[in-house]
Amino acid sequence: DGGITQSPKYLFRKEGQNVTLSCEQNLNHDAMYWYRQDPGQGLRLIYYSQIVNDFQKGDIAEGYSVSREKKESFPLTVTSAQKNPTAFYLCASSTTQGDRSPLHFGNGTRLTVT
Amino acid sequence: SQQGEEDPQALSIQEGENATMNCSYKTSINNLQWYRQNSGRGLVHLILIRSNEREKHSGRLRVTLDTSKKSSSLLITASRAADTASYFCARRGDTGTASKLTFGTGTRLQVTL
Repeated sequence: DGGITQSPKYLFRKEGQNVTLSCEQNLNHDAMYWYRQDPGQGLRLIYYSQIVNDFQKGDIAEGYSVSREKKESFPLTVTSAQKNPTAFYLCASSTTQGDRSPLHFGNGTRLTVT
Repeated sequence: SQQGEEDPQALSIQEGENATMNCSYKTSINNLQWYRQNSGRGLVHLILIRSNEREKHSGRLRVTLDTSKKSSSLLITASRAADTASYFCARRGDTGTASKLTFGTGTRLQVTL
Protein backbone atom coordinates (compact mmCIF):
# COMPACT_ATOMS: atom_id res chain seq x y z
CA ASP A 1 0.00 0.00 0.00
CA GLY A 2 1.22 3.49 -0.80
CA GLY A 3 1.72 5.91 2.00
CA ILE A 4 3.99 7.89 4.25
CA THR A 5 5.92 6.24 7.04
CA GLN A 6 7.24 8.20 9.97
CA SER A 7 9.48 6.59 12.50
CA PRO A 8 9.70 6.21 15.34
CA LYS A 9 6.22 6.92 16.71
CA TYR A 10 7.64 8.07 20.07
CA LEU A 11 11.07 9.55 20.65
CA PHE A 12 12.71 10.63 23.86
CA ARG A 13 15.88 12.70 24.05
CA LYS A 14 17.89 14.61 26.56
CA GLU A 15 18.24 18.34 26.21
CA GLY A 16 21.27 19.33 24.16
CA GLN A 17 21.14 16.33 21.85
CA ASN A 18 20.33 16.48 18.16
CA VAL A 19 17.70 14.03 16.97
CA THR A 20 16.63 12.99 13.46
CA LEU A 21 13.06 12.09 12.54
CA SER A 22 12.52 9.83 9.59
CA CYS A 23 9.96 10.31 6.84
CA GLU A 24 9.67 7.97 3.86
CA GLN A 25 7.01 7.97 1.13
CA ASN A 26 6.30 5.53 -1.68
CA LEU A 27 3.65 7.66 -3.37
CA ASN A 28 6.11 9.01 -5.95
CA HIS A 29 5.29 12.54 -4.77
CA ASP A 30 7.58 15.40 -5.68
CA ALA A 31 6.82 17.67 -2.73
CA MET A 32 7.35 16.89 0.94
CA TYR A 33 6.70 18.91 4.08
CA TRP A 34 7.40 18.95 7.80
CA TYR A 35 4.89 20.42 10.22
CA ARG A 36 4.96 20.86 13.95
CA GLN A 37 1.83 20.55 16.10
CA ASP A 38 1.63 21.64 19.72
CA PRO A 39 -1.24 20.56 22.03
CA GLY A 40 -4.51 22.13 21.00
CA GLN A 41 -2.82 24.00 18.19
CA GLY A 42 -2.86 23.97 14.45
CA LEU A 43 0.03 22.93 12.25
CA ARG A 44 3.01 25.15 11.65
CA LEU A 45 5.27 24.63 8.64
CA ILE A 46 8.93 23.96 9.41
CA TYR A 47 10.47 23.11 6.03
CA TYR A 48 9.28 21.96 2.65
CA SER A 49 10.85 20.54 -0.48
CA GLN A 50 9.43 20.69 -3.97
CA ILE A 51 12.14 18.65 -5.65
CA VAL A 52 15.15 16.52 -4.79
CA ASN A 53 18.19 18.45 -3.55
CA ASP A 54 16.14 21.57 -2.91
CA PHE A 55 14.18 22.76 0.12
CA GLN A 56 12.84 25.98 1.59
CA LYS A 57 12.29 27.29 5.09
CA GLY A 58 8.78 27.43 6.39
CA ASP A 59 7.43 29.64 9.13
CA ILE A 60 9.39 28.17 12.05
CA ALA A 61 12.64 26.78 10.61
CA GLU A 62 14.98 28.01 13.35
CA GLY A 63 16.59 25.12 15.20
CA TYR A 64 15.72 22.57 12.51
CA SER A 65 17.49 21.20 9.45
CA VAL A 66 16.47 18.92 6.60
CA SER A 67 17.89 17.14 3.58
CA ARG A 68 16.31 15.82 0.39
CA GLU A 69 18.84 13.53 -1.21
CA LYS A 70 16.22 11.09 -2.46
CA LYS A 71 12.70 11.63 -3.71
CA GLU A 72 11.32 9.16 -1.18
CA SER A 73 12.99 10.54 1.92
CA PHE A 74 12.87 13.86 3.79
CA PRO A 75 14.47 13.51 7.25
CA LEU A 76 14.15 16.28 9.81
CA THR A 77 16.87 16.99 12.37
CA VAL A 78 15.85 18.79 15.53
CA THR A 79 19.00 20.46 16.76
CA SER A 80 19.98 21.55 20.24
CA ALA A 81 19.35 25.13 19.08
CA GLN A 82 15.60 24.51 19.01
CA LYS A 83 14.43 26.08 22.25
CA ASN A 84 11.22 24.13 22.71
CA PRO A 85 11.48 20.90 20.73
CA THR A 86 8.87 18.82 22.54
CA ALA A 87 5.99 18.50 20.08
CA PHE A 88 4.18 16.25 17.62
CA TYR A 89 5.91 16.27 14.23
CA LEU A 90 4.02 15.50 11.04
CA CYS A 91 5.46 14.77 7.63
CA ALA A 92 3.38 15.16 4.49
CA SER A 93 3.71 14.91 0.74
CA SER A 94 1.83 16.03 -2.33
CA THR A 95 1.91 15.17 -6.01
CA THR A 96 3.13 18.46 -7.45
CA GLN A 97 3.65 22.04 -6.61
CA GLY A 98 0.18 22.53 -8.00
CA ASP A 99 -2.44 24.44 -6.12
CA ARG A 100 -4.99 21.65 -6.08
CA SER A 101 -2.82 18.93 -4.60
CA PRO A 102 -4.03 17.75 -1.20
CA LEU A 103 -1.47 16.74 1.37
CA HIS A 104 -0.99 13.13 2.42
CA PHE A 105 0.20 12.82 5.99
CA GLY A 106 2.13 10.27 7.98
CA ASN A 107 1.01 9.34 11.48
CA GLY A 108 3.51 11.54 13.19
CA THR A 109 6.39 11.30 15.64
CA ARG A 110 5.88 12.52 19.17
CA LEU A 111 9.18 13.94 20.42
CA THR A 112 9.78 14.53 24.11
CA VAL A 113 12.93 16.32 25.21
CA THR A 114 13.77 16.44 28.90
CA SER B 1 1.95 32.48 10.86
CA GLN B 2 -1.68 31.63 11.29
CA GLN B 3 -3.93 33.43 8.88
CA GLY B 4 -7.29 32.57 10.32
CA GLU B 5 -9.22 30.64 12.83
CA GLU B 6 -11.83 27.93 13.11
CA ASP B 7 -14.77 28.22 15.40
CA PRO B 8 -15.98 26.87 17.60
CA GLN B 9 -12.80 25.53 19.19
CA ALA B 10 -14.79 22.60 20.54
CA LEU B 11 -18.19 21.18 19.70
CA SER B 12 -20.12 18.41 21.42
CA ILE B 13 -23.22 16.93 19.82
CA GLN B 14 -25.26 13.77 19.92
CA GLU B 15 -25.21 11.11 17.26
CA GLY B 16 -27.60 11.93 14.46
CA GLU B 17 -27.28 15.69 14.84
CA ASN B 18 -25.55 17.93 12.33
CA ALA B 19 -22.20 19.55 13.10
CA THR B 20 -21.14 22.87 11.62
CA MET B 21 -17.63 24.24 11.81
CA ASN B 22 -16.49 27.61 10.50
CA CYS B 23 -13.20 28.86 9.17
CA SER B 24 -12.17 32.47 8.61
CA TYR B 25 -9.10 33.77 6.85
CA LYS B 26 -7.50 37.09 6.09
CA THR B 27 -5.81 37.00 2.69
CA SER B 28 -6.88 35.96 -0.79
CA ILE B 29 -6.93 32.25 -1.47
CA ASN B 30 -6.61 29.92 -4.43
CA ASN B 31 -8.42 27.13 -2.64
CA LEU B 32 -9.43 26.01 0.82
CA GLN B 33 -9.15 22.45 2.10
CA TRP B 34 -10.62 20.63 5.07
CA TYR B 35 -8.76 17.91 6.94
CA ARG B 36 -9.65 15.55 9.74
CA GLN B 37 -7.33 14.35 12.50
CA ASN B 38 -8.06 11.49 14.85
CA SER B 39 -6.32 11.73 18.20
CA GLY B 40 -2.60 11.07 17.93
CA ARG B 41 -2.72 10.45 14.20
CA GLY B 42 -1.91 12.28 10.99
CA LEU B 43 -4.35 14.42 9.07
CA VAL B 44 -6.60 13.06 6.36
CA HIS B 45 -7.78 15.21 3.48
CA LEU B 46 -11.57 15.49 3.28
CA ILE B 47 -12.51 18.01 0.62
CA LEU B 48 -11.13 20.90 -1.42
CA ILE B 49 -13.09 23.91 -2.61
CA ARG B 50 -11.69 26.35 -5.13
CA SER B 51 -12.03 30.11 -4.86
CA ASN B 52 -14.51 30.21 -7.76
CA GLU B 53 -16.77 27.60 -6.15
CA ARG B 54 -19.46 28.36 -3.58
CA GLU B 55 -20.49 24.91 -2.40
CA LYS B 56 -19.23 21.37 -2.60
CA HIS B 57 -20.54 18.03 -1.36
CA SER B 58 -18.89 14.73 -0.54
CA GLY B 59 -21.07 12.09 1.10
CA ARG B 60 -22.26 13.53 4.42
CA LEU B 61 -19.95 16.53 4.08
CA ARG B 62 -20.99 19.90 2.71
CA VAL B 63 -18.52 22.74 2.38
CA THR B 64 -19.39 26.33 1.53
CA LEU B 65 -17.07 29.18 0.67
CA ASP B 66 -17.83 32.90 0.80
CA THR B 67 -14.83 34.77 -0.56
CA SER B 68 -16.43 38.15 0.08
CA LYS B 69 -16.57 37.34 3.80
CA LYS B 70 -13.34 35.32 3.69
CA SER B 71 -15.02 32.40 5.39
CA SER B 72 -15.87 28.75 4.86
CA SER B 73 -18.00 26.25 6.70
CA LEU B 74 -17.96 22.48 6.97
CA LEU B 75 -21.25 20.73 7.69
CA ILE B 76 -21.33 17.08 8.72
CA THR B 77 -24.85 15.74 8.50
CA ALA B 78 -26.26 12.87 10.56
CA SER B 79 -23.11 12.64 12.65
CA ARG B 80 -21.78 9.37 14.00
CA ALA B 81 -19.58 8.55 16.97
CA ALA B 82 -16.83 7.74 14.45
CA ASP B 83 -16.86 11.38 13.33
CA THR B 84 -15.25 12.32 16.65
CA ALA B 85 -12.00 14.04 15.66
CA SER B 86 -10.40 17.43 15.14
CA TYR B 87 -11.18 19.23 11.90
CA PHE B 88 -8.84 21.74 10.31
CA CYS B 89 -9.20 24.12 7.43
CA ALA B 90 -6.15 24.93 5.37
CA ARG B 91 -5.77 27.84 3.00
CA ARG B 92 -3.60 27.90 -0.07
CA GLY B 93 -2.80 31.46 -1.10
CA ASP B 94 -3.14 32.79 -4.61
CA THR B 95 0.23 34.53 -4.69
CA GLY B 96 3.79 33.80 -3.62
CA THR B 97 4.81 30.30 -2.68
CA ALA B 98 1.83 28.34 -3.94
CA SER B 99 2.99 25.11 -2.38
CA LYS B 100 2.41 26.30 1.16
CA LEU B 101 -0.76 25.48 3.01
CA THR B 102 -1.65 27.48 6.11
CA PHE B 103 -3.63 25.59 8.74
CA GLY B 104 -6.02 26.94 11.31
CA THR B 105 -6.18 25.87 14.95
CA GLY B 106 -8.95 23.34 14.40
CA THR B 107 -12.34 22.42 15.86
CA ARG B 108 -12.51 19.44 18.22
CA LEU B 109 -15.73 17.56 17.54
CA GLN B 110 -17.13 15.10 20.07
CA VAL B 111 -20.08 12.99 18.98
CA THR B 112 -21.76 11.11 21.80
CA LEU B 113 -24.17 8.20 21.62
